[in-house]
Amino acid sequence: GAVVSQHPSWVICKSGTSVKIECRSLDFQATTMFWYRQFPKQSLMLMATSNEGSKATYEQGVEKDKFLINHASLTLSTLTVTSAHPEDSSFYICSARGGGQTGYTFGSGTRLTVV
Amino acid sequence: QKEVEQDPGPLSVPEGAIVSLNCTYSNSAFQYFMWYRQYSRKGPELLMYTYSSGNKEDGRFTAQVDKSSKYISLFIRDSQPSDSATYLCAMSAGGSYIPTFGRGTSLIVHP
Repeated sequence: GAVVSQHPSWVICKSGTSVKIECRSLDFQATTMFWYRQFPKQSLMLMATSNEGSKATYEQGVEKDKFLINHASLTLSTLTVTSAHPEDSSFYICSARGGGQTGYTFGSGTRLTVV
Repeated sequence: QKEVEQDPGPLSVPEGAIVSLNCTYSNSAFQYFMWYRQYSRKGPELLMYTYSSGNKEDGRFTAQVDKSSKYISLFIRDSQPSDSATYLCAMSAGGSYIPTFGRGTSLIVHP
């Protein structure tokens, strides 16, 4: 079945630094990938839709200059949290649709802690 | 009112019990219904995917959709400790539409 790999699985960074999270579709091409944020005991909050070769579409309330998304190839999308602050600490998950799979395939998530 | 309502639990059951997980929704345009299982600190994995009303069975799991009541359920038979996870319902108006997720129900199956 379709596999989405997300890296790193966890990261700790200092306030003010930037962190890049990678999301790869391993065995299929994904023209569209999605980035979610999840707080403890809360649902997945869609942050943005990442389109290969074009600008990402951000959901209302999500700062596009803070959460930079790049989808340079059909198998890779990256999310960069710029000038991270403690309130950016969260669980970030990417997903993609394709590879013959119904529904959406999710990456394993990245737990970001900003200290 | 949120588009998708799901009781966060936790729901604690003994091993071997039948588990019933539910979601209600308000958008009558939803046609596709999904259940995801999410283990702690992992991404969600798709369990069941159904279209429109009716039942769908896969091993110990049965998904049920009642569009007239805007109510969906996931039943787990002979529950196991390994079923302990958070179960998220999701639904969309079309197969290519981005799904709307419930907040998830935490299930604990104790030996």
